[in-house]
Amino acid sequence: AQKVTQAQTEISVVEKEDVTLDCVYETRDTTYYLFWYKQPPSGELVFLIRRNSFDEQNEISGRYSWNFQKSTSSFNFTITASQVVDSAVYFCAQRGSTLGRLYFGRGTQLTVWP
Amino acid sequence: DSGVTQTPKHLITATGQRVTLRCSPRSGDLSVYWYQQSLDQGLQFLIQYYNGEERAKGNILERFSAQQFPDLHSELNLSSLELGDSALYFCASSVGPAVLAGEVPFFGPGTRLTVL
Repeated sequence: AQKVTQAQTEISVVEKEDVTLDCVYETRDTTYYLFWYKQPPSGELVFLIRRNSFDEQNEISGRYSWNFQKSTSSFNFTITASQVVDSAVYFCAQRGSTLGRLYFGRGTQLTVWP
Repeated sequence: DSGVTQTPKHLITATGQRVTLRCSPRSGDLSVYWYQQSLDQGLQFLIQYYNGEERAKGNILERFSAQQFPDLHSELNLSSLELGDSALYFCASSVGPAVLAGEVPFFGPGTRLTVL
């Protein structure tokens, strides 16, 4: 069965701190895809990144970086030098190789204080 | 802006009523997905359509139904509404049936349904 766990319900940091959001997944598929989405207070879901199971290279995009480790079934997300605008709920999600539906974690509420 | 549009943004109705939520996918996308976001259940997949055909079903109640029209827009119909149906309903779209490596579902802004 597919399952995504985001153990951190809420995280609070002060601006300019680095913060890591954890994501652990379960799947029996050998090919699968992992995603991160951001949900700001306005409510929409904004796509951040997609990662294939056969590509374990870490990725950096500006202040955002993602660490994918198959050995621990984790796909963690780090924000460097956090800003108030990063305050949002962040969702990790997984998709198998044959179906299009996403399995979402419960989300992590990140609050960045000025 | 993801390119996925949903109407209405907000909907307030009473128990027992029926409502229709509408979604227009991004230009060129053939797949439409519906998700429900509630405080107790989180983000739950309801149903997927691909090019007018139902492709996958999730935790969709029998009181709910959906369809995708020839112009690819989709509607989610919710009937005999209960208090517990209050939630944010998202539509997402992607290019194909999502078995391709490059598939990314992009989400609309959602419709917030309040059942009183």
